[in-house]
Order: sequence, then C-alpha cells, then structure tokens
Amino acid sequence: NAGVTQTPKFRILKIGQSMTLQCTQDMNHNYMYWYRQDPGMGLKLIYYSVGAGITDKGEVPNGYNVSRSTTEDFPLRLELAAPSQTSVYFCASSPSGLGGEKLFFGSGTQLSVL
Amino acid sequence: AQSVTQPDIHITVSEGASLELRCNYSYGATPYLFWYVQSPGQGLQLLLKYFSGDTLVQGIKGFEAEFKRSQSSFNLRKPSVHWSDAAEYFCAVGGRGSTLGRLYFGRGTQLTVWP
Repeated sequence: NAGVTQTPKFRILKIGQSMTLQCTQDMNHNYMYWYRQDPGMGLKLIYYSVGAGITDKGEVPNGYNVSRSTTEDFPLRLELAAPSQTSVYFCASSPSGLGGEKLFFGSGTQLSVL
Repeated sequence: AQSVTQPDIHITVSEGASLELRCNYSYGATPYLFWYVQSPGQGLQLLLKYFSGDTLVQGIKGFEAEFKRSQSSFNLRKPSVHWSDAAEYFCAVGGRGSTLGRLYFGRGTQLTVWP
C-alpha cells in the first residue's frame, strides 16, 4: 500500500546548490506529475510524464529538469537552487491521464533555499 | 484561460456547525471538478468529483458538493463539522478534452475547527 513515495520530506539548500527530489510509485501508473505549492497559492504543474522516456513541461518548468527512465520513478532535478524555488513539492500519478481522472499524491517535500 | 477561485483563505467554524467552502471556476468548456483535502504533512486526498449527471455529488467523510453551471461554482458542504476535518481544502478543474490529467488548482481554504 505504498502508493506514491517522495524523498526527502524536508531539505534546506544554499543558493546555487543542486539536488534531486525522488518520486516512486508502485501502482504501475503511466502518468506522473510534479507540482509545486507556494504559500497561499494553488498547486502549479512543473513537469509531467506520460510514460517511460516521455516528459514535457507544465506551467512553471524553469529551473527544473526531469527524467523518466522507468515507469516507477520520476525524479525532479534542481540544478542551481534559487530562493524562488522555496516551496512544497508534490509528486502525483494517475493510470491513464484522462482529464477527469483521480490523482494520487505523495506526501510532499518541503524545500527551503537560503 | 482556466482558473479556479477560492475566495476564502481561512474559515473557522465550531465543531458540529455546518460548513460551506466556495469555489468558482473559469473554463472554456464543461469541466471536470474536484475537491481535494490536505491534512498537515500529508499529500492531497480526493474528497469528491463531478463528471456529469446529478449536480449534487457525495464524497467521503460526509462531504458533498453542488455544481451550478449558471454560477460557475462548485461549493463544498458538510452539515456537521468534526474536529478531524481541520485541514486545507483545494478545488480543482480538469479538462474533458484533455488526455494529460492536468488539473488547475485554487489557492486553497484553510479550515480551523473550534472544539
């Protein structure tokens, strides 16, 4: 019953550092997503993937990169951390990506860039 | 452009009182509509969703929502709030024509429940 697992739960970075947020799902879902949640704001889509080897940009992709080498894993990479990337990051997945489909969310990663 | 407005940032109610959380959307076509709940330190959990048919939809934990096309609204209600309902609630809209599962979220309403 793991669902979508994100690591780490918390992280503090210095400006210019890099890191990878990990996301793994065990439901064999084809579609996976990365969202960020800024205080007082709704979730914004960063990147998404429709299957292994296929990724595309969402609303706010600048400063991030992703890869999808397996169905299970969808890591998010921050190359040069900036204070504007301080946020809570959520990974999500869904079986087929249809517009009305339920998303399964991980518990989030709280990132602070100082 | 697609957007979701949740006009109330923070709502406080007493336990046992009724609750209504407001949600208005802007979307080019008939949308799919969702309410998600986020408890502290947790990811988002689906409460309910509207696809078509009966405009009053029932969800988990005793919540319901009503789709009003004329008002572009999808307000969430609960007749009697429990202390465990304290959380943040997000309204979201998705596209019927979309095959990407992409949702547009409102900024959320934080619910505090007084004992």
